[in-house]
Amino acid sequence: AQSVTQPDIHITVSEGASLELRCNYSYGATPYLFWYVQSPGQGLQLLLKYFSGDTLVQGIKGFEAEFKRSQSSFNLRKPSVHWSDAAEYFCAVDASGNTPLVFGKGTRLSVIA
Amino acid sequence: GAGVSQSPRYKVTKRGQDVALRCDPISGHVSLYWYRQALGQGPEFLTYFNYEAQQDKSGLPNDRFSAERPEGSISTLTIQRTEQRDSAMYRCASSLSSAGNTIYFGEGSWLTVV
Repeated sequence: AQSVTQPDIHITVSEGASLELRCNYSYGATPYLFWYVQSPGQGLQLLLKYFSGDTLVQGIKGFEAEFKRSQSSFNLRKPSVHWSDAAEYFCAVDASGNTPLVFGKGTRLSVIA
Repeated sequence: GAGVSQSPRYKVTKRGQDVALRCDPISGHVSLYWYRQALGQGPEFLTYFNYEAQQDKSGLPNDRFSAERPEGSISTLTIQRTEQRDSAMYRCASSLSSAGNTIYFGEGSWLTVV
């Protein structure tokens, strides 16, 4: 069965510093990959997605993610973090483009001054 | 509607009572999903529909959980004889179809069983 691993439960970064959140999946084929963000009291908002093509995907709020097939990874990055980025981030996988999303357990991001 | 709408947003119920959670998907969306999210965890798949047909209910934890979408639009997730372990956020989501389209989530229904 497909699974998603987010190795970091909690990350703290300084405002203005760069950010990378890790995501690894286990599935033989190339799945559809997503990153969602959940702010306190909010719903899940889609940041970006990868279906095919260019392996570097640009999303909203200055986020990007890179699909690396050899590493089964889809890490989320941002060059300069803002205090408003503090939230919980979820990586999700759709194995074939026609199956329900499987989510990782999330990484909580804290931003300090 | 503009987004996925869920009601109630917050529900406190006594153990043993039945609860119904409602989801109104984005207009025109064929696929509707239910997820459950416990504190500190990611969303876990429960079930999904294409139109009124329930395509997959493999994530429903036991037979106390059921869902329907009788007219292919609004869906209801029902939990019978609630237990404390059912306390969680229940999220509904919809997409144009299940074929690789973006899934949009509602704000969720917080269920607390006391």
